[in-house]
Amino acid sequence: AQSVTQLGSHVSVSEGALVLLRCNYSSSVPPYLFWYVQYPNQGLQLLLKYTTGATLVKGINGFEAEFKKSETSFHLTKPSAHMSDAAEYFCAVRDSSASKIIFGSGTRLSIRP
Amino acid sequence: EPEVTQTPSHQVTQMGQEVILRCVPISNHLYFYWYRQILGQKVEFLVSFYNNEISEKSEIFDDQFSVERPDGSNFTLKIRSTKLEDSAMYFCASRGGGNYNEQFFGPGTRLTVL
Repeated sequence: AQSVTQLGSHVSVSEGALVLLRCNYSSSVPPYLFWYVQYPNQGLQLLLKYTTGATLVKGINGFEAEFKKSETSFHLTKPSAHMSDAAEYFCAVRDSSASKIIFGSGTRLSIRP
Repeated sequence: EPEVTQTPSHQVTQMGQEVILRCVPISNHLYFYWYRQILGQKVEFLVSFYNNEISEKSEIFDDQFSVERPDGSNFTLKIRSTKLEDSAMYFCASRGGGNYNEQFFGPGTRLTVL
């Protein structure tokens, strides 16, 4: 069965610093991986996704993630944090049945001025 | 840009009452989902719906829950007799056909059971 582990429930970085949010997955089939962002009191917005092909995936708001099969990882990065990036970030994998999405427990990103 | 909509945005109900949460998926989508997020916890899958029937459901989705697509546009989640622990944010999502298509999420309905 598919699963996702997000390391670090809370990450705090300074404005302008590198953002790195870690995600490891477990999947018995080639995975479809996602990062979603949730701003306070709002719904889930897709940041980026990996299905097949290029392992470095670029998303919205300057975020990108790299699929590393050997490490079963899909870490999210952004070179320079902005105050508006403060939110909850969820890594997710699509179930092999092509049905439900399985979410990680989330990482709350805080940005220090 | 088409989007998934949900109503109401916030529903307050008494324990034991029935509630219906409504969703309007993106019009040409074929797969529909409900997820929930208890405050401070991760998003959990409840049920998926395709071709007018449930295709998969989680252990959370017990006999108190039901889903329906009554008129070809709305997609509803009914909780027959709400419990305190049903208090959560409920998200509807929809997806088009094709293997790579992503799920689009609605803004959610916050359900508060008193």
